[in-house]
Amino acid sequence: SAVISQKPSRDICQRGTSLTIQCQVDSQVTMMFWYRQQPGQSLTLIATANQGSEATYESGFVIDKFPISRPNLTFSTLTVSNMSPEDSSIYLCSASAGGAKTQYFGPGTRLLVL
Amino acid sequence: GENVEQHPSTLSVQEGDSAVIKCTYSDSASNYFPWYKQELGKGPQLIIDIRSNVGEKKDQRIAVTLNKTAKHFSLHITETQPEDSAVYFCAATTSYDKVIFGPGTSLSVIP
Repeated sequence: SAVISQKPSRDICQRGTSLTIQCQVDSQVTMMFWYRQQPGQSLTLIATANQGSEATYESGFVIDKFPISRPNLTFSTLTVSNMSPEDSSIYLCSASAGGAKTQYFGPGTRLLVL
Repeated sequence: GENVEQHPSTLSVQEGDSAVIKCTYSDSASNYFPWYKQELGKGPQLIIDIRSNVGEKKDQRIAVTLNKTAKHFSLHITETQPEDSAVYFCAATTSYDKVIFGPGTSLSVIP
């Protein structure tokens, strides 16, 4: 299994600003993903972070709002841009290794936008 | 599109009793079914998974069953303990290797 850390663990931000969330994996992984989890809800995939190329976004999520970087096999960032209160949520990073479909999750970043 | 349904949404059991959570999926090509436990303030933790070539898998007090024909799979927790209290998510991997999560079940184990 992979151990995943995220920074920050939580933040309170003002509307109109941007926040970058970092995700670090303790080993090289093939796939990294970013999810959003609204309070009391299930997980919704935002995008797949591809190493060396642009992220693949799910329907309803766009690069201008959620730019993603993945400079190597152990690290990725998600930026939440021009935030509004509707962006208040938990943002989760996950990773899977090799051809395995098992995803391991980080502890999440709890974001509150005022 | 692909969909995973999960029941019940909330479940309360007495300590020592069994808990069962049921899920159905829509994509007949799904072949991997993980279960996650999420405690308050934490990320989801994988607790057990099953692949489509297996009908049942057990790990101590936790078991998962899969009926591919009916597109059903279930999580069984025996001898529940207060530390089993959490939100449980079932999931199914689609033919495009995308993981679709169920809406979750909030389990409360009453001491």
